[in-house]
Amino acid sequence: KAGVTQTPRYLIKTRGQQVTLSCSPISGHRSVSWYQQTPGQGLQFLFEYFSETQRNKGNFPGRFSGRQFSNSRSEMNVSTLELGDSALYLCASSFRPRTGTYNEQFFGPGTRLTVL
Amino acid sequence: AQKVTQAQTEISVVEKEDVTLDCVYETRDTTYYLFWYKQPPSGELVFLIRRNSFDEQNEISGRYSWNFQKSTSSFNFTITASQVVDSAVYFCALSEPPETSGSRLTFGEGTQLTVNP
Repeated sequence: KAGVTQTPRYLIKTRGQQVTLSCSPISGHRSVSWYQQTPGQGLQFLFEYFSETQRNKGNFPGRFSGRQFSNSRSEMNVSTLELGDSALYLCASSFRPRTGTYNEQFFGPGTRLTVL
Repeated sequence: AQKVTQAQTEISVVEKEDVTLDCVYETRDTTYYLFWYKQPPSGELVFLIRRNSFDEQNEISGRYSWNFQKSTSSFNFTITASQVVDSAVYFCALSEPPETSGSRLTFGEGTQLTVNP
């Protein structure tokens, strides 16, 4: 079974530009979560999508947005890039938490975004 | 609010030594889930273990073992007879019940483990 895939793996942008990152979950997984990893702030939750709807959101400005398609693939968009947005963006997929249970999340290799 | 603390920023050991990575958590929930992930230099987070708050049994998997103590809010991870391939950043994480927060994980700061030959 193929794992979580993220494209592109590396990206260089300049301040003020916008960027779109893509995540394809493991086949059969319907939940996709996004995390930002930086040396200063560590790993922080951005948002989670399930059934094409945002189910949960972290404490990030509105410049960070996402969406999910009917095939569960997800995209994350960052507009008006700032230097501080340079980070490793990780995507995770899970089958979907059922009431009273927790389904493990499996992470992709990440997209390394550098903002100049 | 949830919080996970990994006080050890970096640990360096010599191969075959045992090493314990500490994790302390805070949560108001009575039901929660604890995790350990490994992040090698490639960047991908590799799932190692999940524990439920109502299951305090320690677990052993090969050279890995986990000690969960609710009384001290700790979930420590021990690698026995460490190997160079164990070198990575290890993260402890916490989650509320899925009906509350879905799949959201709160991570600790991570511990960089270096195993020297």
